[in-house]
Amino acid sequence: DVKVTQSSRYLVKRTGEKVFLECVQDMDHENMFWYRQDPGLGLRLIYFSYDVKMKEKGDIPEGYSVSREKKERFSLILESASTNQTSMYLCASSRNPGSLYGYTFGSGTRLTVV
Amino acid sequence: AQKVTQAQTEISVVEKEDVTLDCVYETRDTTYYLFWYKQPPSGELVFLIRRNSFDEQNEISGRYSWNFQKSTSSFNFTITASQVVDSAVYFCALSVNTGGFKTIFGAGTRLFVKA
Repeated sequence: DVKVTQSSRYLVKRTGEKVFLECVQDMDHENMFWYRQDPGLGLRLIYFSYDVKMKEKGDIPEGYSVSREKKERFSLILESASTNQTSMYLCASSRNPGSLYGYTFGSGTRLTVV
Repeated sequence: AQKVTQAQTEISVVEKEDVTLDCVYETRDTTYYLFWYKQPPSGELVFLIRRNSFDEQNEISGRYSWNFQKSTSSFNFTITASQVVDSAVYFCALSVNTGGFKTIFGAGTRLFVKA
């Protein structure tokens, strides 16, 4: 069963902390994505990557960075967590962006910054 | 700019009722892809369907059906004879290639199906 695995389901961090959200996929997909989900706003793209060591800014990259050292792993980094980054974070992957089967999503990490 | 609008924030129906979830999109691209995803309480979005902009043929899959109309920029989703297990948040999404493919999601429609 193919999967996208996010390392934590729930996280509570303090303001100013550096936070790492990890995502691993086992489908050999080239494309990986980080979204945040907020009520009434749907999913908003933070960063995406088409290949190892490549990254592209999405619609709301401010306050975030990413790392993709290996094809299967795409990490989202909050350099200095703030309360407005409290959200559900969703990782996704696809073989190609217009994939017939869409994206495969992880179960999400609910991050609370206090 | 691209945009996806799901005007219905929440819908509540009784089991066995039919329900239609609306989706209106905006794009100037002639080539694009439309998707529907389901997010059950477990949180993981599940892909339901993809349509490309050149294929306006409607599709039926069991109790699910999709109506794609380019003339009104709509891609509506109908569940026939709804069941409690259909309770979830449903997202409509649009993918376009603007310096790399990006997928834009609507705000989602939360569907409650009561027994």
